Amino acid sequence: DQQVKQNSPSLSVQEGRISILNCDYTNSMFDYFLWYKKYPAEGPTFLISISSIKDKNEDGRFTVFLNKSAKHLSLHIVPSQPGDSAVYFCVVRGSTLGRLYFGRGTQLTVWP
Amino acid sequence: GAVVSQHPSRVICKSGTSVKIECRSLDFQATTMFWYRQFPKQSLMLMATSNEGSKATYEQGVEKDKFLINHASLTLSTLTVTSAHPEDSSFYICSARDILRNTEAFFGQGTRLTVV
Repeated sequence: DQQVKQNSPSLSVQEGRISILNCDYTNSMFDYFLWYKKYPAEGPTFLISISSIKDKNEDGRFTVFLNKSAKHLSLHIVPSQPGDSAVYFCVVRGSTLGRLYFGRGTQLTVWP
Repeated sequence: GAVVSQHPSRVICKSGTSVKIECRSLDFQATTMFWYRQFPKQSLMLMATSNEGSKATYEQGVEKDKFLINHASLTLSTLTVTSAHPEDSSFYICSARDILRNTEAFFGQGTRLTVV
């Protein structure tokens, strides 16, 4: 049973435009949300996070928005760059030992 | 940022043999390490949570006798796939949490296991 859902398996965006990756979660008790980026044959790398007490967190070109009432979060990348092409995982942290729940990922392709 | 080293990055073994994968936190102490498995085009599935000095907690459906986990120190956890079979072929990834930074987890680079 997927606790974290990324309904778009892929997204293609032109360089310089905005990339918006979406994520929905099922459990309103989740308190911390993260986005990880993954290249093939590598482990995920942390990108940006947001706690449940905030609705927005910005770090350079990356902004994460959290809508708790809708149990929805999104990652905005602007401007998108070809080097951003990777799989992006939406991850939520459960309360037990900080266990992480991963979405299925969205393959972002940024073309020149 | 913190570094987690996973070794080996890829391994090929014969069916019936055992394979050990190491996960080390290089510049921080990790009381908790997690082991994941990723099938092609699927998400990372948590296999077990490894706590230093105690028994690992396995997720439902994961055979503890097949996937042996040892977390002997604050910087090292190992996963041993015993009597490997072709269906165990997968991408295994570990992650470690910095006890001083109670939020994000850092991931190793993963191990591609192929059982022939």
